[in-house]
Amino acid sequence: DGGITQSPKYLFRKEGQNVTLSCEQNLNHDAMYWYRQDPGQGLRLIYYSQIVNDFQKGDIAEGYSVSREKKESFPLTVTSAQKNPTAFYLCASSSPGQGDEKLFFGSGTQLSVL
Amino acid sequence: EDQVTQSPEALRLQEGESSSLNCSYTVSGLRGLFWYRQDPGKGPEFLFTLYSAGEEKEKERLKATLTKKESFLHITAPKPEDSATYLCAVKSGGSYIPTFGRGTSLIVHP
Repeated sequence: DGGITQSPKYLFRKEGQNVTLSCEQNLNHDAMYWYRQDPGQGLRLIYYSQIVNDFQKGDIAEGYSVSREKKESFPLTVTSAQKNPTAFYLCASSSPGQGDEKLFFGSGTQLSVL
Repeated sequence: EDQVTQSPEALRLQEGESSSLNCSYTVSGLRGLFWYRQDPGKGPEFLFTLYSAGEEKEKERLKATLTKKESFLHITAPKPEDSATYLCAVKSGGSYIPTFGRGTSLIVHP
């Protein structure tokens, strides 16, 4: 079945540590996104990528980094510069050039600070 | 700047008690309005896309409608399994990046 796979489901970060969240899709979508969700908040865009080897900052990119070396993969690194990383992280993909503009989401990664 | 406001923030219903969720939006040229359902600890799941005022879409007990300023998600005779957070998002102009509202948390009591 086609879909988006995020791993791990739960992740713990020690102070000063960088951690990487995985996102893989087999939907053949060009666009991929990373969102952060805090309790009672909407989805806030961290980074997005329209095509391979290209990505843009979203509204809250500080303290995060991404890469898009393959169409299927869009990993997110939470760096030590992100002082409040505890949140639910969601990866999504879409195919905006094909008239179907809805987002497909992964199951999320809950990141907590030890 | 696109803005999306959802109300109420939380809604408690008895099983069978119909109600509506509201999504008010401000955009420069609507390309699409989207409704998603999100269960606790999971990613949102797509429900509907609405493109123009007057459009309506239905799925089981859910019906989404759209005007030039807002969208409603009507829930008819809800069941406990309809309990979830419902998210609204809009896309505007030449951007394919959606703007999300904060969601409405719905709890349906048996």
